[in-house]
Amino acid sequence: DVKVTQSSRYLVKRTGEKVFLECVQDMDHENMFWYRQDPGLGLRLIYFSYDVKMKEKGDIPEGYSVSREKKERFSLILESASTNQTSMYLCASSRSGQGAKRYNEQFFGPGTRLTVL
Amino acid sequence: GEDVEQSLFLSVREGDSSVINCTYTDSSSTYLYWYKQEPGAGLQLLTYIFSNMDMKQDQRLTVLLNKKDKHLSLRIADTQTGDSAIYFCAERGPNDYKLSFGAGTTVTVRA
Repeated sequence: DVKVTQSSRYLVKRTGEKVFLECVQDMDHENMFWYRQDPGLGLRLIYFSYDVKMKEKGDIPEGYSVSREKKERFSLILESASTNQTSMYLCASSRSGQGAKRYNEQFFGPGTRLTVL
Repeated sequence: GEDVEQSLFLSVREGDSSVINCTYTDSSSTYLYWYKQEPGAGLQLLTYIFSNMDMKQDQRLTVLLNKKDKHLSLRIADTQTGDSAIYFCAERGPNDYKLSFGAGTTVTVRA
């Protein structure tokens, strides 16, 4: 059974702290994604990675950075957490290749609910 | 970026059909998806449709695509309490990996 796991389900941090969110997938997928989910806004892409050490900014990268040192692991870093980063964070992965011919399902982790006080 | 819009709430009686609607703006979309998110869980792919199709049926689920109007719908027949969830519409452009999601429709099934 395919699996995307996230290091924490719930996290509470203080303003200014450095926060690491970890995501691991066991499907040997090339692509990995970090989204944040807010009510009424849906999912917004923060960063994605299409290969080890490769990353591209999504729609809302400000205040975040990412790291992908190994194929199976994609980390989201909040250098200095702020209250407006309180949100649900979802990691996903997908297979790459064959462009528009593949429907390339994204598989999601259960999410990390981050609260910044 | 691409815009995907859907209504935020839908209430339906158990046993009735549910119809969730979605509109998108990117005419170069290749695939369109419906994801389901149950409480406390991540998203799970329900179904998808390729942009050169206008209908896809999978058991209780029917997806209709009107490419001219950029309108996508998901019909759930015989809606059950287990169908209560948030349903996200998403579209993928010609590049290989990026999806754009709508805000999600919260479906509540009442007895």
